[in-house]
Formats: sequence, C-alpha cells, structure tokens
Amino acid sequence: DTGVSQNPRHKITKRGQNVTFRCDPISEHNRLYWYRQTLGQGPEFLTYFQNEAQLEKSRLLSDRFSAERPKGSFSTLEIQRTEQGDSAMYLCASSSQVGYNEQFFGPGTRLTVL
Amino acid sequence: KNEVEQSPQNLTAQEGEFITINCSYSVGISALHWLQQHPGGGIVSLFMLSSGKKKHGRLIATINIQEKHSSLHITASHPRDSAVYICAPDYGGSQGNLIFGKGTKLSVKP
Repeated sequence: DTGVSQNPRHKITKRGQNVTFRCDPISEHNRLYWYRQTLGQGPEFLTYFQNEAQLEKSRLLSDRFSAERPKGSFSTLEIQRTEQGDSAMYLCASSSQVGYNEQFFGPGTRLTVL
Repeated sequence: KNEVEQSPQNLTAQEGEFITINCSYSVGISALHWLQQHPGGGIVSLFMLSSGKKKHGRLIATINIQEKHSSLHITASHPRDSAVYICAPDYGGSQGNLIFGKGTKLSVKP
C-alpha cells in the first residue's frame, strides 16, 4: 500500500461546471476525512466518514457539495455549479479507528475555478 | 471555542540554524499533530504526541499539556526543510477531525 491517493491532482474548470474528486485511502483505514485549504490558511474540516457512513459535515459544506463513500473504501467529493470561491486545495486523509487518530494525508486536488 | 495559534507566521533562517516553531491551543486535547506541507500541497505527518517529547532525526516535538503549548524544533536546519509547518490539535471529538493552525512558513537559506 502506497498511502492515500487523490485524483486528479489539478483541476481547472469554468464557473458553473460540476467537478468530482476521488480519494483512495489506506486500505485498512475505516475513517476518511475531507478538508479544504485556501491560500495562506490551514486546512478546514469538511466532512468525515466511518466506513460508508457520513457521520459529520461542516457548515462549510454547502448544498452544492456532496460526498460519498459507497463501499467504505474510496470516496468522492462532488461540487456542483462551481463558484470562484470554491478554488482551493481539497485534501483527503484517512486513519484507523484503533488507537490514536493519526491521520495520513493524500497529495490533494488543487481546484481552480475560472 | 477551539482555537490554535502558531508563531511565527513566517520564518527565515540560515542553513545550520536551530529553529523553533510554537503552537498554543485553547482547550484540552487528546493529542497534537505536527504536519509538514511542501509547495504543491501534500501534507506529511511529522509527529503525533500527547505528552512529553518525541524526536525523529533532526526534528524534536515537545508538548506541555498544562500550559496548552507545543513546540517543534529543527536542529541543523537545511534548505530542504523549507516548508509550511502546521500544528493540529486533536480535541478528541467522536469524529476525530483535526483543527489546524494557519501554519508557519519556514525558508532556510543556504
């Protein structure tokens, strides 16, 4: 296992378009997190899955955002009707429920909305 | 309110210097993470600690639970240490999401 992977690494889109990002966590990790990071800021929590169940969503996650983890493995984050303010780095992390919550991060997907 | 303060926000050092980055948080935590983020965005976990001190190579992390303060030290700094260092307390919520500081941008000059 090579760690958490995310695809695509970069996405440029026009305002109003829909985009979808994918995260593949470390295989034995049942917890999966999505974070968003804007320039000059630390990451901010968006949503959390334990296995296939989405247990928590931040107020940052407007109704244009939806996340799924259908089989408790990979996850997708979709943004509908993108806005320029959605431009950010979208980070995925995974962790095991056992022991301390050490999170392993993917390389991120950088979204630019024109 | 769970808040995280890091200092300094920006730090420029000469190669070989000893570096200290500080992190203060507002309420009790179960653990604290130090993360490194290189240009391009990928985040690497450096340390997770709940008490005392941890050392990995030239990196040392300490935490004082009573004072709600943690420090990250880099000995014999090198230009490849140039990155953003982020402190992230884990407040132990049921979902386990981290609260991140804004980061300290370190630039080590040769």
